[in-house]
Order: sequence, then structure tokens, then C-alpha cells
Amino acid sequence: GAVVSQHPSRVICKSGTSVKIECRSLDFQATTMFWYRQFPKKSLMLMATSNEGSKATYEQGVEKDKFLINHASLTLSTLTVTSAHPEDSSFYICSARDSSGGDVEQFFGPGTRLTVL
Amino acid sequence: GQNIDQPTEMTATEGAIVQINCTYQTSGFNGLFWYQQHAGEAPTFLSYNVLDGLEEKGRFSSFLSRSKGYSYLLLKELQMKDSASYLCAAMDSNYQLIWGAGTKLIIKP
Repeated sequence: GAVVSQHPSRVICKSGTSVKIECRSLDFQATTMFWYRQFPKKSLMLMATSNEGSKATYEQGVEKDKFLINHASLTLSTLTVTSAHPEDSSFYICSARDSSGGDVEQFFGPGTRLTVL
Repeated sequence: GQNIDQPTEMTATEGAIVQINCTYQTSGFNGLFWYQQHAGEAPTFLSYNVLDGLEEKGRFSSFLSRSKGYSYLLLKELQMKDSASYLCAAMDSNYQLIWGAGTKLIIKP
């Protein structure tokens, strides 16, 4: 199946700093990418959906100025957590889909565990 | 509103069979997914059903009834490595996945 990578896999940062997470589709063109966060023992929570070359669509309650998403190419999307705080500590997962051919399956990256001290 | 219901936790014995149920209510419907997620890892795709009926894939099978808004994942010949959370997700009319909270499956020897 298709492969999606995420970098970094783990990051620890100080409160107030910004962290960038990269999501790459390695062997297909990701026309749509999704960013999720997941708290321990909870299900995935969709944060935003991004289509290549367009502004991301954020879910209700997700601050777009705090979670900056850029989907500049068909293989790369980035999520930047700005001015991170301890409550932003979570498991962030991206997924990607090639919507051009009508595919519906989302392929997930391995996730990034963010810890804000 | 949109909603997915699945049991929080199930326990089964190694070598046995277990069925994890999922009911869904969505605005439009474009299929039902099952994912497996081990602790600390991202979900991995198990199955996709868009038509009524049973899809079999090795030890795992998935069933869908669109009229009842119901699906199940059937795991046979359970192995210890099958201990994980199983996520049910329905795709709505906007091709967005609506996720259940997941069913934690505990396998005992």
C-alpha cells in the first residue's frame, strides 16, 4: 500500500516555542491531507483538512492561528504548533489521500508525539 | 448529528473468535472503514465496505448492512498480537471520516 512518513516521530519542546511537523506521501500524490490529534485512550480527533494549493479547512474549535497548516505540494504538508503550551502535548497523526482518482482510503503516517514542558 | 458507536472494551481468548460491532449515523454514506491501532502507533487499514455483505480477508472479515447502519469486524483464530484498539469509521457525504472511540481488544492466553 501507499506510504506516508512523518517527521519528527517525537519532539520535546519548551512552552512558548513553535514546533513544525512534516507529513510526506512517498509513493503517491496526496491531493488531500488530514491532520488528527489523539489523547491517550481516546479516538482520533480531526483537526483540519487540506487540499494541495488551498487553505486548510479547520474543524470547529481548532484555532487556525495556533495550528498552521501548509500543503504546498502534492507530497508534503506541514503542521506548525505555534507558541506551544503543555495542553498541546498530544499524539499528532497525518493521513493522506489521492482524491484525483476517486480513491477514498486514507493512508496514515506513523504519528508524532509532542511533549511540551 | 453524526455518531459512531462501538463497545469500549472486549476480552477474548487466544485461538477464539471475536466480533466487534459498530453502528453509525452519518450525513450521507460513502463506506465504512475498520482500522487497527496498537498503543502509541498510528492506525493501520484493515477493511473497507461500501456494499452490503461480508468481505473476508484472511483471519479478518468485515460485514456491512447499510439499511441498519451497522457493521462488524470478525477476527478468527485470535493471536496475542491482535491485542489492540479497533477503530470503526464511517465516511460521510463530504468524504470525511467520522470516527468511533475505538474498541480495546484484550486477548488472554
